[in-house]
Amino acid sequence: RKEVEQDPGPFNVPEGATVAFNCTYSNSASQSFFWYRQDCRKEPKLLMSVYSSGNEDGRFTAQLNRASQYISLLIRDSKLSDSATYLCVVKNFGNEKLTFGTGTRLTIIP
Amino acid sequence: DTGVSQNPRHKITKRGQNVTFRCDPISEHNRLYWYRQTLGQGPEFLTYFQNEAQLEKSRLLSDRFSAERPKGSFSTLEIQRTEQGDSAMYLCASNNPLGQGIRENYGYTFGSGTRLTVV
Repeated sequence: RKEVEQDPGPFNVPEGATVAFNCTYSNSASQSFFWYRQDCRKEPKLLMSVYSSGNEDGRFTAQLNRASQYISLLIRDSKLSDSATYLCVVKNFGNEKLTFGTGTRLTIIP
Repeated sequence: DTGVSQNPRHKITKRGQNVTFRCDPISEHNRLYWYRQTLGQGPEFLTYFQNEAQLEKSRLLSDRFSAERPKGSFSTLEIQRTEQGDSAMYLCASNNPLGQGIRENYGYTFGSGTRLTVV
């Protein structure tokens, strides 16, 4: 079983719609959680960290459920520029490496 | 110094040749990481440095791979006797746990990567 699992998609969503991604992680020692965005043939860029209390940044909302070991990302009022691959990332306690999921590919359709 | 710089951007090499990539991190970042990403997959951890010390290496880093960060600034990743399975994007990232703000503490800044094709 992979340490971080995501639905690879693709998700094809009309502009203006709301889209949600889920991600599950297997290591209960995971301490820090992130969503990264990666455009085609570009490097990953940090979208947002995910806090236990949930957090929001504009149209983006991230939530963490430690009991069920999953992380979610909600994008409201989607824009064409949101088209990208969204990578779920975890970091375990006492370990510096980031563990990435395979990514979920999102395409916003005009 | 506005970001992490990697050179070259692209490298095509024949199987069996040696290749070396360079990474220049953000100057005030003391941690530097190497990752590898193949098509359709997320980046996979290879190794990381704190200053000049290499503190962790993945089992993915076979004996044909070596990384250095001699002065705690730039880093090089060398692959000897390249194989077709080494074809991938090699990403470098840096961060600084002592930086200001949680985002900087835990988020990495990635370079644009070096895309290696072994033919």
